[in-house]
Amino acid sequence: ETGVTQSPTHLIKTRGQQVTLRCSSQSGHNTVSWYQQALGQGPQFIFQYYREEENGRGNFPPRFSGLQFPNYSSELNVNALELDDSALYLCASSPEQGRAKNIQYFGAGTRLSVL
Amino acid sequence: DAKTTQPPSMDCAEGRAANLPCNHSTISGNEYVYWYRQIHSQGPQYIIHGLKNNETNEMASLIITEDRKSSTLILPHATLRDTAVYYCIVSHDSNYQLIWGAGTKLIIKP
Repeated sequence: ETGVTQSPTHLIKTRGQQVTLRCSSQSGHNTVSWYQQALGQGPQFIFQYYREEENGRGNFPPRFSGLQFPNYSSELNVNALELDDSALYLCASSPEQGRAKNIQYFGAGTRLSVL
Repeated sequence: DAKTTQPPSMDCAEGRAANLPCNHSTISGNEYVYWYRQIHSQGPQYIIHGLKNNETNEMASLIITEDRKSSTLILPHATLRDTAVYYCIVSHDSNYQLIWGAGTKLIIKP
């Protein structure tokens, strides 16, 4: 059983640029959630995808968008990067059913630095 | 905002039990308590969760008070590798998001 993998591990962009982060979910999981984690803080929920549809969204502007593919892998896109977007971006996958829904399995994250 | 309150930091001696408290006084009847931890430079890792009964797995035990307003995560024999930030989260099982606080930074000392 493969775990959640994210790419790239580190990324440096300049203000105004666009970035795409990628995530492969754990085998058998059809739900993917994305989080932003600033230094010294807990993760903040960006959005969740379930079977290729957005299933919920946190308090993030529309320039944060996502996709989920038929194989349940996912992308996070951020347009018009701002300095405050510098953070660790975490992807988590979870199985669909019942009590297991909020047991999320996380990747190691992508560290994004915006200069 | 997170619905839980945790101490910002704790120390524990290696080999002893680490007891991490969490207050969730506004928890509703169908909300679960989840515990995750995040070791430095890694993604969070699920530890355990429960509704009202105490739970135990290979990693830890979760003790929930009878009124469900607080809980304690117990690592029975802490090792240096248990040094991490521990997060207590309250969530409906049908909720699509987890709301994270700042957690407790647990330092295991040799």
